[in-house]
Amino acid sequence: DSGVTQTPKHLITATGQRVTLRCSPRSGDLSVYWYQQSLDQGLQFLIQYYNGEERAKGNILERFSAQQFPDLHSELNLSSLELGDSALYFCASSVDSRPNYGYTFGSGTRLTVV
Amino acid sequence: DAKTTQPPSMDCAEGRAANLPCNHSTISGNEYVYWYRQIHSQGPQYIIHGLKNNETNEMASLIITEDRKSSTLILPHATLRDTAVYYCIVRDEGGKLIFGQGTELSVKP
Repeated sequence: DSGVTQTPKHLITATGQRVTLRCSPRSGDLSVYWYQQSLDQGLQFLIQYYNGEERAKGNILERFSAQQFPDLHSELNLSSLELGDSALYFCASSVDSRPNYGYTFGSGTRLTVV
Repeated sequence: DAKTTQPPSMDCAEGRAANLPCNHSTISGNEYVYWYRQIHSQGPQYIIHGLKNNETNEMASLIITEDRKSSTLILPHATLRDTAVYYCIVRDEGGKLIFGQGTELSVKP
């Protein structure tokens, strides 16, 4: 157990639907990062939050959004789902965003869009 | 884009040292080198990181060349459970980890 909790572990939904993925960071970590891993794309950075505020954006689609709440948990919202959104979604957390602090990853949510 | 270059795959005999190379010729002075691994579809696992000096922990050693343009991750006694994709990442001041394609290490009996 890495200390980063992601729910649900598996999710199957239909095209056009909306889902919410949840991440609870490790105790004491203020920064949360979201990644997408599909078979043909590798691990893609989506977005980072630090203490409730967005810090950096990567290859995140406009159909996707995220937020970090006062208790520091984060949610990734995926809407108007397409078949190509099927992937593993990982959340990671770190104490802060300084480069000498590593990330701890959760075990991921496997999203299947049918 | 990833700032590192790694061989796509390597083999290693069980019990032997696994030496995984990484080139990061455009690294700047305040950027750290991180190594993570991913076993099957599990979440990436932190291994080690360093700035200029060589580093060692219970999992591995990291050797960084003096010019910092390349590094080597050493798993001293590889086991079958070390079979994984190993990612070498240069992390900048912005703090993001940008993953490349990594090296698929196969440890064979």
